Amino acid sequence: DADVTQTPRNRITKTGKRIMLECSQTKGHDRMYWYRQDPGLGLRLIYYSFDVKDINKGEISDGYSVSRQAQAKFSLSLESAIPNQTALYFCATSDSLSARTEAFFGQGTRLTVV
Amino acid sequence: LAKTTQPISMDSYEGQEVNITCSHNNIATNDYITWYQQFPSQGPRFIIQGYKTKVTNEVASLFIPADRKSSTLSLPRVSLSDTAVYYCLVVGDNQGGKLIFGQGTELSVKP
Repeated sequence: DADVTQTPRNRITKTGKRIMLECSQTKGHDRMYWYRQDPGLGLRLIYYSFDVKDINKGEISDGYSVSRQAQAKFSLSLESAIPNQTALYFCATSDSLSARTEAFFGQGTRLTVV
Repeated sequence: LAKTTQPISMDSYEGQEVNITCSHNNIATNDYITWYQQFPSQGPRFIIQGYKTKVTNEVASLFIPADRKSSTLSLPRVSLSDTAVYYCLVVGDNQGGKLIFGQGTELSVKP
């Protein structure tokens, strides 16, 4: 089983619908992140969380919200999906106590908004 | 925040050594330099991290000059499977602990 699991892997939704992307991890890490990636572009940080009670906006948080339900779970919501939110979404985790700042990524969720 | 700048793309041939340079002029004293590799439709994967001078592991070497305003990722004898996007990140408390990925360098290895 993967250390960082994203569900669903693929999703097609209609404009205006609410959708939630889920991420769970078994690594015991305290830090979790959500990124989006558009074709030919790098990853852009949407939200990040350093512990259960800590939520921070990233570079592009407008139109998104998150919930850190437990140390192992971090979900991303699109309250009212729009076509330009069509992208590949990645969840990642890292350990603040590690001397090496290594992030572990999930397999990605490919979201299409029509 | 320390901004990183690296070439958008590079081409190489199998068996060659590839050096990808990243500039990070605003790096702070406590920041580290980290490199990731990403294959299509996969999440990035950590390659190497360093603070100064040279770091080497089984995958790559990382060269950091004394002023730390740049770093060079060196991939020895690349193969077709090294075709990927490579990201340089500056990480540390000065970045608020965030992991900010730039556009990366798309490396294409040809036979």
